[in-house]
Amino acid sequence: DVKVTQSSRYLVKRTGEKVFLECVQDMDHENMFWYRQDPGLGLRLIYFSYDVKMKEKGDIPEGYSVSREKKERFSLILESASTNQTSMYLCASSPTGDGTDTQYFGPGTRLTVL
Amino acid sequence: GQNIDQPTEMTATEGAIVQINCTYQTSGFNGLFWYQQHAGEAPTFLSYNVLDGLEEKGRFSSFLSRSKGYSYLLLKELQMKDSASYLCAVLDSNYQLIWGAGTKLIIKP
Repeated sequence: DVKVTQSSRYLVKRTGEKVFLECVQDMDHENMFWYRQDPGLGLRLIYFSYDVKMKEKGDIPEGYSVSREKKERFSLILESASTNQTSMYLCASSPTGDGTDTQYFGPGTRLTVL
Repeated sequence: GQNIDQPTEMTATEGAIVQINCTYQTSGFNGLFWYQQHAGEAPTFLSYNVLDGLEEKGRFSSFLSRSKGYSYLLLKELQMKDSASYLCAVLDSNYQLIWGAGTKLIIKP
């Protein structure tokens, strides 16, 4: 069974802290994605990766960075957390290529920045 | 700009049929996805349409009209467990997914 896990379901951090969100998939997928989900808005893509050590900016990369040192793991980093980064963060993975594959999502991390 | 429109919320009765509409304006089109998301959970895949017409999968069907920029998700024989948000997403010419805000479906007994 396909599985995407995220390191925390709930996280509370202070403004200015460095925050790491971890995502691991066990399906040997090439593609991994980080989204944020806010009420009344669609999922917004922060960063994605098509291969190890490869990353591409999505629609809203400002204030975020990512790391993909191993195929199964994709980390999202908030260099200096701010209150406007309070959100639900969803990680997803998909098998290959052109985007027509189903994306498999993790359970999400609800981050609150105080 | 790129835009996906879905109703914010819909209410339906257990056992009935409901149709959730999605209209889109995107730069190119390489398919349309529907995902289901229960409150506090991950979105899960329901359907993918790239050709015009209706695709049926059990109680759920998805329809696409590319010329009209329109899709709908049809849910039959509604069950309480169908209470969830339904997300429409379009794959644009760059093979990037553009997501709608989702439709929250409330099922009443």
